[in-house]
Amino acid sequence: RKEVEQDPGPFNVPEGATVAFNCTYSNSASQSFFWYRQDCRKEPKLLMSVYSSGNEDGRFTAQLNRASQYISLLIRDSKLSDSATYLCVVTFNDMRFGAGTRLTVKP
Amino acid sequence: GAGVSQSPRYKVAKRGQDVALRCDPISGHVSLFWYQQALGQGPEFLTYFQNEAQLDKSGLPSDRFFAERPEGSVSTLKIQRTQQEDSAVYLCASSLGSAPGNTIYFGEGSWLTVV
Repeated sequence: RKEVEQDPGPFNVPEGATVAFNCTYSNSASQSFFWYRQDCRKEPKLLMSVYSSGNEDGRFTAQLNRASQYISLLIRDSKLSDSATYLCVVTFNDMRFGAGTRLTVKP
Repeated sequence: GAGVSQSPRYKVAKRGQDVALRCDPISGHVSLFWYQQALGQGPEFLTYFQNEAQLDKSGLPSDRFFAERPEGSVSTLKIQRTQQEDSAVYLCASSLGSAPGNTIYFGEGSWLTVV
């Protein structure tokens, strides 16, 4: 079993839609959690950190459930520019990435 | 430069050839990571340095892979006797702090194709 597992995707949604991605992790001692965004043929870049209390950044909301070892990302009012691969990241002694979920937002 | 710099950006190697990939982290960054990303996959952890110490090399796929960071700054990932399955993007990342959980910043990657 991989340490970090994500929804397989791809997600194809119209502009303005709300879309949610899920991620589970296997190491209960994991310490920090992030969502990274990766555009085609580019390097991953930090989208947002994920906190137990949940956090919001504009149209993006991240949630962490430690008991279920589950992380989510919600994107509201999706834009064409949101099209990318979203990577779930979990840290313990180092940083481990999920395989990514590809999102395509269509006009 | 201000960001993580990797070279070469693109490398085509013949099967059996040795390659060396270089990473210049952001100045002052303590932690340095190497990842391997195959097409359509997420980055797979290879190894982690804290200054010059290689704290974790559990992700290196075989003894053909070797990484070093002798002075705690520039790092080199060496792949000996390259195989076709080594074709991937090799991403280097650095972070300011020593603890995991600090934001890591990636370079643009070295794209390796083994023919």
